[in-house]
Amino acid sequence: DAGITQSPRHKVTETGTPVTLRCHQTENHRYMYWYRQDPGHGLRLIHYSYGVKDTDKGEVSDGYSVSRSKTEDFLLTLESATSSQTSVYFCAISESRGLAADTQYFGPGTRLTVL
Amino acid sequence: TQLLEQSPQFLSIQEGENLTVYCNSSSVFSSLQWYRQEPGEGPVLLVTVVTGGEVKKLKRLTFQFGDARKDSSLHITAAQPGDTGLYLCAVAGGTSYGKLTFGQGTILTVHP
Repeated sequence: DAGITQSPRHKVTETGTPVTLRCHQTENHRYMYWYRQDPGHGLRLIHYSYGVKDTDKGEVSDGYSVSRSKTEDFLLTLESATSSQTSVYFCAISESRGLAADTQYFGPGTRLTVL
Repeated sequence: TQLLEQSPQFLSIQEGENLTVYCNSSSVFSSLQWYRQEPGEGPVLLVTVVTGGEVKKLKRLTFQFGDARKDSSLHITAAQPGDTGLYLCAVAGGTSYGKLTFGQGTILTVHP
């Protein structure tokens, strides 16, 4: 199994509070991704990183920001959580040489509930 | 409108039955992937298909990429309870960085 951990694994918070989710990898992979998973939507890309300090927006980036100060860590921040951000969040990593068919390895997920 | 349409969304069958899951699009792709996700875990890659008409087999699972590279199917022969899970198709969403776009998924339940 790829060495990917996510913390916390579960979190309950209140609307309007800031929340930071952490993804940590031990594989030294260049590319990292944050997805959210909701019923009927599969997984949707929030933000991704293609190197230290290099990040870009995905399909559903509104209300989220990310940071990557080290190769191994990719942080996802909800500046002011809303109930619509209740979801399961997955981090993924990839060696991705820019080819379409690279494998992504997923972490175990963080279940976030915003009350 | 979803880039990838998976069908059916839900499938509940008895052990030993065969089943097929479909992943369709109006777009052409250079490759397509299938992932399987068990409850409480992240998705795990099953297969990548890259050539139109390609067929790949993984034990009781058969994957096919359409000739026009717009669709794919996953066929499971003699399903077992251990096949229970969420099956997702995915394509690269762009020309670089390995970003993936997923279908909505098919939830498969195999009853003993």
